[in-house]
Amino acid sequence: DTAVSQTPKYLVTQMGNDKSIKCEQNLGHDTMYWYKQDSKKFLKIMFSYNNKELIINETVPNRFSPKSPDKAHLNLHINSLELGDSAVYFCASSPDGPTTFIYGYTFGSGTRLTVV
Amino acid sequence: AQSVTQLGSHVSVSEGALVLLRCNYSSSVPPYLFWYVQYPNQGLQLLLKYTSAATLVKGINGFEAEFKKSETSFHLTKPSAHMSDAAEYFCAVSDKARGYQKVTFGTGTKLQVIP
Repeated sequence: DTAVSQTPKYLVTQMGNDKSIKCEQNLGHDTMYWYKQDSKKFLKIMFSYNNKELIINETVPNRFSPKSPDKAHLNLHINSLELGDSAVYFCASSPDGPTTFIYGYTFGSGTRLTVV
Repeated sequence: AQSVTQLGSHVSVSEGALVLLRCNYSSSVPPYLFWYVQYPNQGLQLLLKYTSAATLVKGINGFEAEFKKSETSFHLTKPSAHMSDAAEYFCAVSDKARGYQKVTFGTGTKLQVIP
């Protein structure tokens, strides 16, 4: 009965590879997000989708491409992985729409990506 | 632009002592404020939130925070620390930027509880 689930939990890959991280939420929330947490624990938003529509696209390299096939899923595909992409990636969801933020996030447990 | 400052990247308290984690924010409009907790190898969990109702907000696990507009602060407190409170704590502020709500997180405070 996990609310926001991400797969895989750990991902170790070589530079230059392409990889995907999947996220699913069963809360019925309208909005989903991808966050990156670096080695210093700093959290930075990457993308947000509301009902499959891209709302926030922060200054992220275009090697990162989100895809939302339906409002319960938000996947993250990364091309040509670089050493600096190593981080923990968190998926989150919220019942809030793009112009409100009252309820806050429900986070997944994270995907630790290590690029070697 | 909004920002969040958490004073002290590491805080140590004895078990049973008062916990005080500091958060100051800057925002051009009245913000919504949140505290999240992150246990090792887990995602962030919402502790409490301020959304312009009561200025003293109670959350889970005995934590509470007080919104002080004059001091632009939203400090997190707990009267008596428990070993299970050892974790990383993040303050976050949300306000509107470019027409949509944007959330900015602080850099986190790691709480150590000493037996």
